Amino acid sequence: DAGVIQSPRHEVTEMGQEVTLRCKPISGHDYLFWYRQTMMRGLELLIYFNNNVPIDDSGMPEDRFSAKMPNASFSTLKIQPSEPRDSAVYFCASSFPRPRSGNTIYFGEGSWLTVV
Amino acid sequence: SQQGEEDPQALSIQEGENATMNCSYKTSINNLQWYRQNSGRGLVHLILIRSNEREKHSGRLRVTLDTSKKSSSLLITASRAADTASYFCATEGAGGSNYKLTFGKGTLLTVNP
Repeated sequence: DAGVIQSPRHEVTEMGQEVTLRCKPISGHDYLFWYRQTMMRGLELLIYFNNNVPIDDSGMPEDRFSAKMPNASFSTLKIQPSEPRDSAVYFCASSFPRPRSGNTIYFGEGSWLTVV
Repeated sequence: SQQGEEDPQALSIQEGENATMNCSYKTSINNLQWYRQNSGRGLVHLILIRSNEREKHSGRLRVTLDTSKKSSSLLITASRAADTASYFCATEGAGGSNYKLTFGKGTLLTVNP
């Protein structure tokens, strides 16, 4: 398997522009997670899905952020409008947890976003 | 908010030495996991220890868990330059089956050749 695939790997955009980050999870995984990593705040869970349904979006910073998972093989994280403080690395991760086995998650390589 | 807190924030050692990183957490857990992140890359799972386990080994890795102190340690023996990376602990909260993982801020390990 190719692993979790994210695009774009790098994006530089101007403040106020819309940003769309994309993710293809590992085939067969039924959980998908979006994390944001910054030096100041570390790795923060933004939202996660189970079987394409959002389970917990309490980490989404504000209404400018939205995430969708229209099917089992695709998810998007959208920021509209973007602000300089959104500059971070955004990770998508997926997993196939089962009771008593724990949830080992598999990360993509990240989307490096810079908002100027 | 962060559940796990790693200590130290940064560690620099010589090749061949052992590296020990610690993690403290606040609430009850189902398990605790350690992940590694090379510069510019995604995180990679290293090892998982369940709440009813006290110690676990995998190759040069040794993880301990003390649920009474809400702490864990990761020991890397006979370190190599290729072990240079950031190491994160992550906790899966007890109760239910939400499978939500909360990460600490990590320890940056530098192994000097």
